[in-house]
Amino acid sequence: NAGVMQNPRHLVRRRGQEARLRCSPMKGHSHVYWYRQLPEEGLKFMVYLQKENIIDESGMPKERFSAEFPKEGPSILRIQQVVRGDSAAYFCASSRTGTPNQPQHFGDGTRLSIL
Amino acid sequence: DAKTTQPNSMESNEEEPVHLPCNHSTISGTDYIHWYRQLPSQGPEYVIHGLTSNVNNRMASLAIAEDRKSSTLILHRATLRDAAVYYCTPPNTGNQFYFGTGTSLTVIP
Repeated sequence: NAGVMQNPRHLVRRRGQEARLRCSPMKGHSHVYWYRQLPEEGLKFMVYLQKENIIDESGMPKERFSAEFPKEGPSILRIQQVVRGDSAAYFCASSRTGTPNQPQHFGDGTRLSIL
Repeated sequence: DAKTTQPNSMESNEEEPVHLPCNHSTISGTDYIHWYRQLPSQGPEYVIHGLTSNVNNRMASLAIAEDRKSSTLILHRATLRDAAVYYCTPPNTGNQFYFGTGTSLTVIP
């Protein structure tokens, strides 16, 4: 029974390139959340998606960042024209329903390094 | 949005009980209190959650104050594998969890 799968685990990009982070939720989960964790800090919410819909993107930077969760396939977090400050661990979580009190199940993250 | 206060760090001897406190004085009446933990280089792991009554599962127990302004996560017998950062987090609106800096638990052999 696979948990939340994120890939790649590590991603290195040069400034100005694009980064694509993938997340496959747990089986039966249709709600996906993305969080970012800077070194020595707690996780910060970025975006909440349900299949084909963005429900809450209040934590997403206004520029360069986008997220999608298509009907088929994984959720994608896309960062265009990456900068050094984008270096962080990006975690995806999923839940079965969208009620606020449902536990979220997390993947092991993608560690993004910008050269 | 509800915010939490936790001690930055705690220590425990192996095989002894650990009580991890959390203050969440601004929690709303219908929000569950969730606890997660994060081991190095891993994503957060769900531990337990509850509303008003004390809760038990295979990992831990959760004691919730009667006024719900605080709670305590109880690990009955700490092991070296329990060394992690523990977060208590009520959900905010929009289903997002607020993760502060948590409590870093060190387990001493």
